[in-house]
Amino acid sequence: DTAVSQTPKYLVTQMGNDKSIKCEQNLGHDTMYWYKQDSKKFLKIMFSYNNKELIINETVPNRFSPKSPDKAHLNLHINSLELGDSAVYFCATTGRENYGYTFGSGTRLTVV
Amino acid sequence: QQPVQSPQAVILREGEDAVINCSSSKALYSVHWYRQKHGEAPVFLMILLKGGEQKGHDKISASFNEKKQQSSLYLTASQLSYSGTYFCGTDLFGNEKLTFGTGTRLTIIP
Repeated sequence: DTAVSQTPKYLVTQMGNDKSIKCEQNLGHDTMYWYKQDSKKFLKIMFSYNNKELIINETVPNRFSPKSPDKAHLNLHINSLELGDSAVYFCATTGRENYGYTFGSGTRLTVV
Repeated sequence: QQPVQSPQAVILREGEDAVINCSSSKALYSVHWYRQKHGEAPVFLMILLKGGEQKGHDKISASFNEKKQQSSLYLTASQLSYSGTYFCGTDLFGNEKLTFGTGTRLTIIP
């Protein structure tokens, strides 16, 4: 049973399309995150949710909209995809205080 | 602001030791360390907290100099499995919002 699972693993789509990435965790953790890793491997936080409530919303285009239907799920919807959105998107969770992140396996998004 | 890691890349033979450094321009609450293998997700290694507390794996050690806002990760007697990119993540306020460093690519050769 995967602790933090993301779907899909790969996503290739055309500019202008709308797509969603889903994340589910079975760890019982309260906090979930979306991070973006670009082609230079730079990992940057996008959003954070704690028990379904938005906690962190970094400077991200409003084409990106996270949704947390319950504590175990955090989805990311992206409208009007652009070439610059191509990256690997990681979901992550934290549970016990000061015990590090558990990352999902990532979704490689390629916009053509 | 993104923490700076050094070196950017290092190549070692099996059995050799490595030190990876992470420097921040801001006062830190904690420093995390992660290892990412090619095509995989980052994996948590260790957290160092203000005040000296550490939590992590037995075979990896690290230090945290609060005055200098620096942390170092020590990998001793390196194994092939240690290869990957190492990231530090800094937490300024104890809210576990991490800013990740520039990364250090470690290659271990037989």
